[in-house]
Amino acid sequence: KQEVTQIPAALSVPEGENLVLNCSFTDSAIYNLQWFRQDPGKGLTSLLLIQSSQREQTSGRLNASLDKSSGRSTLYIAASQPGDSATYLCAVGGTASKLTFGTGTRLQVTL
Amino acid sequence: ETGVTQSPTHLIKTRGQQVTLRCSSQSGHNTVSWYQQALGQGPQFIFQYYREEENGRGNFPPRFSGLQFPNYSSELNVNALELDDSALYLCASSLARSQETQYFGPGTRLLVL
Repeated sequence: KQEVTQIPAALSVPEGENLVLNCSFTDSAIYNLQWFRQDPGKGLTSLLLIQSSQREQTSGRLNASLDKSSGRSTLYIAASQPGDSATYLCAVGGTASKLTFGTGTRLQVTL
Repeated sequence: ETGVTQSPTHLIKTRGQQVTLRCSSQSGHNTVSWYQQALGQGPQFIFQYYREEENGRGNFPPRFSGLQFPNYSSELNVNALELDDSALYLCASSLARSQETQYFGPGTRLLVL
């Protein structure tokens, strides 16, 4: 059974800092890994999708890496802004497009 | 905006009642998945529909059932509601069963009293 863990559970950084969110998974037989953002009480916004054959994906200030063999992914956020404050969820794609989610990292970027 | 809509946005029911939640997928997306997200947790996979047939199910009892229609809409039905069913219910649509990006709707928040 796939299990996904995200560390840290919560993080507070001052504006402008670069930061890294971590995600680990127990079963390396994955199809892809997706990072999402969730604002309080809202749905999920897809940030980056990394296919199992890829090592990383970039979008603007975001960079996600994937190391399937070690069961790890990181989400790097450059030059953080208050608008980045949200919960970030990592989800591993398995069979039948089923996503297994971690419990998320709650990020607060302070002025 | 993902193009995925859900209704209603909020719902209050009492234990033992039945509820139907609705989702409208992005046009052309033939796969829809439903997830349950309890407070402070990550979403849990309920089931997936592909071309109107169930295509995978998570660890949820049979009182959770669904339908997918040819017009890209779908329903999640929950019978005999329990207090623990209180959660945010999310639907996600994608282009195919294969590993494409899943686009999530805003969710329906269900409270069972």
